[in-house]
Amino acid sequence: AQSVTQLDSQVPVFEEAPVELRCNYSSSVSVYLFWYVQYPNQGLQLLLKYLSGSTLVKGINGFEAEFNKSQTSFHLRKPSVHISDTAEYFCAVSDPKTSYDKVIFGPGTSLSVIP
Amino acid sequence: SQTIHQWPATLVQPVGSPLSLECTVEGTSNPNLYWYRQAAGRGLQLLFYSVGIGQISSEVPQNLSASRPQDRQFILSSKKLLLSDSGFYLCAWSALGGLPGAFFGQGTRLTVV
Repeated sequence: AQSVTQLDSQVPVFEEAPVELRCNYSSSVSVYLFWYVQYPNQGLQLLLKYLSGSTLVKGINGFEAEFNKSQTSFHLRKPSVHISDTAEYFCAVSDPKTSYDKVIFGPGTSLSVIP
Repeated sequence: SQTIHQWPATLVQPVGSPLSLECTVEGTSNPNLYWYRQAAGRGLQLLFYSVGIGQISSEVPQNLSASRPQDRQFILSSKKLLLSDSGFYLCAWSALGGLPGAFFGQGTRLTVV
């Protein structure tokens, strides 16, 4: 079964500094990959997704992620963070062969942007 | 455009009481529907998914049940709540046969006391 690892449970970073949130998944077969953001007491919002094609995916709010098949990774990056980026970030994976979006989520990384 | 509504936003219930959380989707037909739970400090756990009316699949054994009485309505229920049922419950939908990626409601914060 698929699993997702987010190595960092908490990431503090100063405002305007770059950030990378790490994500690894378990299977080397074809997958769909996602990053979601959750602000306090809210639902999840899709930041970006990788389905196929270019390994560098650009999303909303200036985030991007790079798919690395050999390392089974999908790290999320932003060159300069803002206070408003403080939130919980979830990496997720789903199997293209299933008939529904059985999305498996990682445990989440809490990003805290320090003024 | 598609929207998903989930209510109530917060709920405090005593142990042993029943539960009913409702989720509806607008602007799409025949969606896949999901219930997730997010316990404090933990990630999201898929509880149930549904690919059609009356079709419910459970991912984990638990004190909860789900029903889909209409195409765009998904209900999470319990006959008797346990303290361990406390958490943040999220409903989500995705398009059958469409681009993958689920869209989430705003969630319900359930506290069982």
